[in-house]
Amino acid sequence: DAKTTQPPSMDCAEGRAANLPCNHSTISGNEYVYWYRQIHSQGPQYIIHGLKNNETNEMASLIITEDRKSSTLILPHATLRDTAVYYCIVRVEGTASKLTFGTGTRLQVTL
Amino acid sequence: NAGVMQNPRHLVRRRGQEARLRCSPMKGHSHVYWYRQLPEEGLKFMVYLQKENIIDESGMPKERFSAEFPKEGPSILRIQQVVRGDSAAYFCASSPGIVEGNIQYFGAGTRLSVL
Repeated sequence: DAKTTQPPSMDCAEGRAANLPCNHSTISGNEYVYWYRQIHSQGPQYIIHGLKNNETNEMASLIITEDRKSSTLILPHATLRDTAVYYCIVRVEGTASKLTFGTGTRLQVTL
Repeated sequence: NAGVMQNPRHLVRRRGQEARLRCSPMKGHSHVYWYRQLPEEGLKFMVYLQKENIIDESGMPKERFSAEFPKEGPSILRIQQVVRGDSAAYFCASSPGIVEGNIQYFGAGTRLSVL
């Protein structure tokens, strides 16, 4: 699986959009970008995943650049409950393989 | 549809005892994964199982650790002769297999403390 690079920490004001970047310059053509988050001491929570088209669900939007070397997770209206560590993971979809978690981005949402 | 269930949530063992951690996957899921998170560290993959088979155990310590996922019942992660370094949060995830993006859904974890 391709390696990813994320900033170690970010702050966001409550109610504003949180934009979390991820660099995956060595991504292969059949690898998807997955995002998970881990709220303090809880189990990781799946957020969204995509291949090359932008994706949106009830939790977030995922924007993938045209060359697929980077992506951005967008939480449109961050709340205090979105404070967590966010992990960007690149993985081949359709394989039942392990997830390789990096160090992620610690997002702090403040009043 | 109940999520991934792990029990116990907290487990205290003395050095040398055995620890058994249980994981019931989501309904319809036949793939189970175990991950470990040491204090102040990231999540590390341990083992991946399908019913009655170990598919990938590349992250399992060579000694004292074993895992099973029997035809009936939950998956079990077993740690024999626990040591203080085994103190960690152990998370189980399940997935439906090669469908629906094969998304892994995680349980709340078991926090093992070794005295």
